Amino acid sequence: ETGVTQSPTHLIKTRGQQVTLRCSSQSGHNTVSWYQQALGQGPQFIFQYYREEENGRGNFPPRFSGLQFPNYSSELNVNALELDDSALYLCASSLDSGSHTEAFFGQGTRLTVV
Amino acid sequence: GNSVTQMEGPVTLSEEAFLTINCTYTATGYPSLFWYVQYPGEGLQLLLKATKADDKGSNKGFEATYRKETTSFHLEKGSVQVSDSAVYFCALIQGAQKLVFGQGTRLTINP
Repeated sequence: ETGVTQSPTHLIKTRGQQVTLRCSSQSGHNTVSWYQQALGQGPQFIFQYYREEENGRGNFPPRFSGLQFPNYSSELNVNALELDDSALYLCASSLDSGSHTEAFFGQGTRLTVV
Repeated sequence: GNSVTQMEGPVTLSEEAFLTINCTYTATGYPSLFWYVQYPGEGLQLLLKATKADDKGSNKGFEATYRKETTSFHLEKGSVQVSDSAVYFCALIQGAQKLVFGQGTRLTINP
């Protein structure tokens, strides 16, 4: 059973560009959540996908968007990058969207916007 | 809305010292509570959890008790090791699975 894997591990982009981050969920997990962790801060919830549908969204602008595929892997897309988007982006997968279900995190993608 | 507040770090201790990291929360109803640990360069790992009042979560010598009367979930360990050096996050979930995290506490254990 493989864990949650994210790609790439590190990325440098220029302000105004667009970026796509990828996440492969743990085998059998149908729910993927994305979090943004700024330096020295706790992770902040971006959104969650459950069976290919968005299932909740945090306080992030529409230029943050996502997809979930039939195999439950997921993408996070960020348009018009800003310097403040520099952060560690974490993906978490779980068996379902219930509140008592453990979320398993990937190692994250470190995005730097210059 | 829901929120989590952790004691500010960094915390530096000697090996075999007693550890407490304070965590309090604000939520309506009965959230589930978690402690996650983040080692350098890695993602988050679940350390322990408690899903109802008076539950005690425990793992790897760490413990935390869900105290509804004080809305707290303090993390404790009786004897820390150098390998416990990491950033610790307290978190809660209520309803749909959206984790709400505290700001994290960096722990450094010196030999």
